[in-house]
Amino acid sequence: GENVEQHPSTLSVQEGDSAVIKCTYSDSASNYFPWYKQELGKGPQLIIDIRSNVGEKKDQRIAVTLNKTAKHFSLHITETQPEDSAVYFCAASEGGSYIPTFGRGTSLIVHP
Amino acid sequence: DTEVTQTPKHLVMGMTNKKSLKCEQHMGHRAMYWYKQKAKKPPELMFVYSYEKLSINESVPSRFSPECPNSSLLNLHLHALQPEDSALYLCASSLLPGQGNNEQFFGPGTRLTVL
Repeated sequence: GENVEQHPSTLSVQEGDSAVIKCTYSDSASNYFPWYKQELGKGPQLIIDIRSNVGEKKDQRIAVTLNKTAKHFSLHITETQPEDSAVYFCAASEGGSYIPTFGRGTSLIVHP
Repeated sequence: DTEVTQTPKHLVMGMTNKKSLKCEQHMGHRAMYWYKQKAKKPPELMFVYSYEKLSINESVPSRFSPECPNSSLLNLHLHALQPEDSALYLCASSLLPGQGNNEQFFGPGTRLTVL
């Protein structure tokens, strides 16, 4: 089965800095890579996703990159704000199953 | 409407109680999921329903009993739970493979405490 590793487990930055969270996956059949943000007391919310036919995707301050050869993908948040503080989960799934395998999560803390 | 709703938001129950968690979506998704999430951990898959039929049971104890009465509703019946079952229970929905985008939509969860 798929195995997703996520690093770091905790990331502390100053407001305005950039934050990068990295994930690796093991199953070469995986072709969909979502990123979820979970705020305290809430369910995970999809913030960006990428499919294996593209290498990069950007949405305002958030970008995701994918390296299929190396089987790793990363989340980049620029100009961080205190409201970006949350737990972020990466995940991977393949087309025959829409059930994602989650990474262990990264707790992002943005200090004002 | 791209929302998954869950009730109740919080639930406290004793080990001898019977209670139910409810989930609803109106996005036309024919796949619905129950997850269990402990603090500082990723969601852990419990059950998957496809076309209102149970397709995956991740070896969940029988004290958890899922039910899918129709394509919009998903219930989780709880009976004789243990304190270690205290967690955030998340419902999610998605299209089925081959139907389109494989994005999962999560509800806000039910925070369950078993005394």
